[in-house]
Amino acid sequence: DAKTTQPNSMESNEEEPVHLPCNHSTISGTDYIHWYRQLPSQGPEYVIHGLTSNVNNRMASLAIAEDRKSSTLILHRATLRDAAVYYCILDYGGSQGNLIFGKGTKLSVKP
Amino acid sequence: DTGVSQNPRHKITKRGQNVTFRCDPISEHNRLYWYRQTLGQGPEFLTYFQNEAQLEKSRLLSDRFSAERPKGSFSTLEIQRTEQGDSAMYLCASSPRVGYEQYFGPGTRLTVT
Repeated sequence: DAKTTQPNSMESNEEEPVHLPCNHSTISGTDYIHWYRQLPSQGPEYVIHGLTSNVNNRMASLAIAEDRKSSTLILHRATLRDAAVYYCILDYGGSQGNLIFGKGTKLSVKP
Repeated sequence: DTGVSQNPRHKITKRGQNVTFRCDPISEHNRLYWYRQTLGQGPEFLTYFQNEAQLEKSRLLSDRFSAERPKGSFSTLEIQRTEQGDSAMYLCASSPRVGYEQYFGPGTRLTVT
């Protein structure tokens, strides 16, 4: 299974942008890049996913490097409610679809 | 609320007892997944169903674990002869089809004393 590398933790100030990096140097051509987040005492929550092009939705933006060996999740204006563990996951879109989580990045947001 | 629901939310049991958890997925989602999460770790895949068929089981799912999804609707996860190492959060997720985002429930926290 393709693996991802994320920093263990990051800090941000409220209302400032946050860039969460993810390295996936062994990504294959059919691997989608998914981001989920997990707020304290809750189940994981889907954030965004992409294959090659940058993606935007109401929650965040996903910037994918041209060689696809890395990606960045961008929260445009962090709020206190964005404090969570963020997981970057490669999904090869195969017949199973089960997600392989790493330890993720714990994001702290300071007021 | 039409999200994924799980019951009970918390379960405390003594070692050696059997426990059963229930997951109600989002209506019409034919994919249902079970994960386990221990403190400080990301969720680990246990098993998944497409409709009523159990298609994959992780090696983490020992013989003491069994999961069912009768009629392709709700699912149950049973742990027999619980051990302290079974203490964890058990998460259920559903998805309309493979490759789509998964919607997670709030989890059932199991404590084995």
